[in-house]
Amino acid sequence: DAGVIQSPRHEVTEMGQEVTLRCKPISGHDYLFWYRQTMMRGLELLIYFNNNVPIDDSGMPEDRFSAKMPNASFSTLKIQPSEPRDSAVYFCASSPGGLGLFFGSGTQLSVL
Amino acid sequence: KQEVTQIPAALSVPEGENLVLNCSFTDSAIYNLQWFRQDPGKGLTSLLLIQSSQREQTSGRLNASLDKSSGRSTLYIAASQPGDSATYLCAVFSRGGNTPLVFGKGTRLSVIA
Repeated sequence: DAGVIQSPRHEVTEMGQEVTLRCKPISGHDYLFWYRQTMMRGLELLIYFNNNVPIDDSGMPEDRFSAKMPNASFSTLKIQPSEPRDSAVYFCASSPGGLGLFFGSGTQLSVL
Repeated sequence: KQEVTQIPAALSVPEGENLVLNCSFTDSAIYNLQWFRQDPGKGLTSLLLIQSSQREQTSGRLNASLDKSSGRSTLYIAASQPGDSATYLCAVFSRGGNTPLVFGKGTRLSVIA
């Protein structure tokens, strides 16, 4: 397996634009997590899914953020409209029922 | 609610020293504990995973221990090298609560040649 795959690796956009981040978890993993990391706040959990169902989205900063998992092999994190304070590295991770966590390489987002 | 604390926040040691990084957690009802390494500008790389029924795991110069009763885990690095310089994070996968996985804030390690 190729591991958790995230795209794009880097995204530069202007304030107000819509941004969509994509994640393909490892096949067979039933948990999927979206994290955001900044120097100031460290690693923050935004939302996680279990068997494609959102379980806890209390970490989503505001209504501009939304996440979907239409099937077991794909998830998106969308920011609309984007703001400069959304600039961060966004990580996706998957887990096979609590037996460890496997991270993607992250998406570096810069909102100008 | 599970809380995970890592001490120290930063550590600087000369090359060749053995060192210990600490991770403590408040709720002992855990599935497992995982140690990660993160290099600047990079993602998180898994180092060791300890299941709740285990007391330690070893990989090369790394040894991680788990004491659920006291809510502690340690990561021991033997004969440290400059290439070990990175941030080390521990994450606890809990049985209860709404958020199954909680991270510590990490220990930033610098190994000086």
